[in-house]
Amino acid sequence: QQKVQQSPESLIVPEGGMASLNCTFSDRNSQYFWWYRQHSGEGPKALMSIFSNGDKKEGRFTAHLNKASLYVSLHIKDSQPSDSALYFCAASSGSWQLIFGSGTQLTVMP
Amino acid sequence: EAAVTQSPRNKVAVTGGKVTLSCNQTNNHNNMYWYRQDTGHGLRLIHYSYGAGSTEKGDIPDGYKASRPSQENFSLILELATPSQTSVYFCASGDAAGGGGTLYFGAGTRLSVL
Repeated sequence: QQKVQQSPESLIVPEGGMASLNCTFSDRNSQYFWWYRQHSGEGPKALMSIFSNGDKKEGRFTAHLNKASLYVSLHIKDSQPSDSALYFCAASSGSWQLIFGSGTQLTVMP
Repeated sequence: EAAVTQSPRNKVAVTGGKVTLSCNQTNNHNNMYWYRQDTGHGLRLIHYSYGAGSTEKGDIPDGYKASRPSQENFSLILELATPSQTSVYFCASGDAAGGGGTLYFGAGTRLSVL
């Protein structure tokens, strides 16, 4: 069964700094990869998806996927205090299930 | 933006009691999901549904039942609640199968079983 592991568990970066979040998955048949963000007291919200190997940039956020290495990452440039949240990586092999990692708690210090 | 509403937002139940968590979505999505969130475990899928009348087991279905009486509504039922079911529960809806589409989550229900 698919396992998704995230690192680090928690991360503190200064305002304006770069935050790098990592994720590995176990199923080589995985096709769809997502990053979700959850602010305290709210439900998770989709941040971005990546389905092909390489980089995908959306504003200050860049996702990277390497299917052969079973690895996906998220980089946040010019981090803002509003980026402080719990970030989930999720993967799907095309079945109905989207499997989530345990999350990385990001804190951006002003 | 897609709207998913959960009720109640907070619930305290007694061990052995019956608990029903409700979810309503107004986006005409075919797929709906129930997850629970626990520290260190992330989001784990309990049940999901393809459409009205269908329910399927997720990763951790034991102790839970689900009901999808209509396109808009999806309930999670704990027939005999136990303290191990204390958690935060999230409902989600989505418009694409196979993980290729965005999931829209509700704000969550915090359940304490005493």
